[in-house]
Amino acid sequence: AQTVTQSQPEMSVQEAETVTLSCTYDTSENNYYLFWYKQPPSRQMILVIRQEAYKQQNATENRFSVNFQKAAKSFSLKISDSQLGDTAMYFCAFMKPPSGDMRFGAGTRLTVKP
Amino acid sequence: DARVTQTPRHKVTEMGQEVTMRCQPILGHNTVFWYRQTMMQGLELLAYFRNRAPLDDSGMPKDRFSAEMPDATLATLKIQPSEPRDSAVYFCASGGGGRNNEQFFGPGTRLTVL
Repeated sequence: AQTVTQSQPEMSVQEAETVTLSCTYDTSENNYYLFWYKQPPSRQMILVIRQEAYKQQNATENRFSVNFQKAAKSFSLKISDSQLGDTAMYFCAFMKPPSGDMRFGAGTRLTVKP
Repeated sequence: DARVTQTPRHKVTEMGQEVTMRCQPILGHNTVFWYRQTMMQGLELLAYFRNRAPLDDSGMPKDRFSAEMPDATLATLKIQPSEPRDSAVYFCASGGGGRNNEQFFGPGTRLTVL
């Protein structure tokens, strides 16, 4: 079974600074997807960024980017120019297609301080 | 604006009562997932359906939980009888399959069993 580990239960960052959230996973599969989801206090789960394992290029979405190290089974999220609205729980998730069965890490609570 | 809807948003009930949670997936999505979120266990996959057929419900306590998709626009998760340990936020998510494999989450149902 696949497991996802987020070793940082809580983190904080100053507004406008950069922060990196860590995620590692364990799998014997070669083809899979990785995701970062954001859950603000509203509880809504929002997709932040997605990475296909077969792509070597790291995914980027505006201020969000990932550092995908397939051999090391590492998938960290970098948030640049942090904003107050980035304050939320962040979940790393692993999915093996085609089932869609997604496994989540325990989450990292990020606080952006003014 | 296509989104997953869930009802009710909040439910408070007494132990032993039946609870039914409903989900309307995004029109055209063929995969529906049920997750449970608690402080202790995080986000757990309970069950999922593709084209209305159950694919995996191994994460669900079989003796009291049941999940169905009576039609393509409605998924239900039922607990009978409910217990205090079932208190959690229950999320429904839907996906269209394909290469993206993104799951779109509903707002969740916060269940409290007294």
